Amino acid sequence: GIQVEQSPPDLILQEGANSTLRCNFSDSVNNLQWFHQNPWGQLINLFYIPSGTKQNGRLSATTVATERYSLLYISSSQTTDSGVYFCAVERRPSGNTPLVFGKGTRLSVIA
Amino acid sequence: SAVISQKPSRDICQRGTSLTIQCQVDSQVTMMFWYRQQPGQSLTLIATANQGSEATYESGFVIDKFPISRPNLTFSTLTVSNMSPEDSSIYLCSVDSPLRTNTEAFFGQGTRLTVV
Repeated sequence: GIQVEQSPPDLILQEGANSTLRCNFSDSVNNLQWFHQNPWGQLINLFYIPSGTKQNGRLSATTVATERYSLLYISSSQTTDSGVYFCAVERRPSGNTPLVFGKGTRLSVIA
Repeated sequence: SAVISQKPSRDICQRGTSLTIQCQVDSQVTMMFWYRQQPGQSLTLIATANQGSEATYESGFVIDKFPISRPNLTFSTLTVSNMSPEDSSIYLCSVDSPLRTNTEAFFGQGTRLTVV
């Protein structure tokens, strides 16, 4: 099956710093999403980005599908950005199939 | 987007008992998915629930332990049966976008289960 690898596994930032999280995947995908899991366990949709670049406030993401990777950029980090960031891809190149998750990047932003 | 209401949000249960988790979607969807997230781990798919047919389980998960119902296109339940402390996890339901233009997935708030 498809493999999803995220790096780094852990990241500690000073408030205000910038960071880049990476997601590599082993096969062609129809869907790639980034999620933020807050301390209460809720998964927040950040980006649906099977290809291209998107921005939402201090966050942006880029997926280069031909090279099988995606990047999540966090600028001017805040303590509320802390949590686990997951990359997930759709397992087969068609709709209505479940996501395969990477192991996540645990981000801690300290004041 | 799809709005998913998942209940309960958390529970503490005695070993040997069962808990049923409900997932209600605000629009009709074809597939619903159930995931488990063990402490400190990533999400693992338990099963896929398609309305009108039996759920399809992933390797390592069986119907007797995790029975699933899917009575209509907006609702599903997952039961965790005969619980043990190893079942302590976050359980999440997910659906694909009701729009046909993309396959974005949405998740419920999760159920944090502790078995004592």
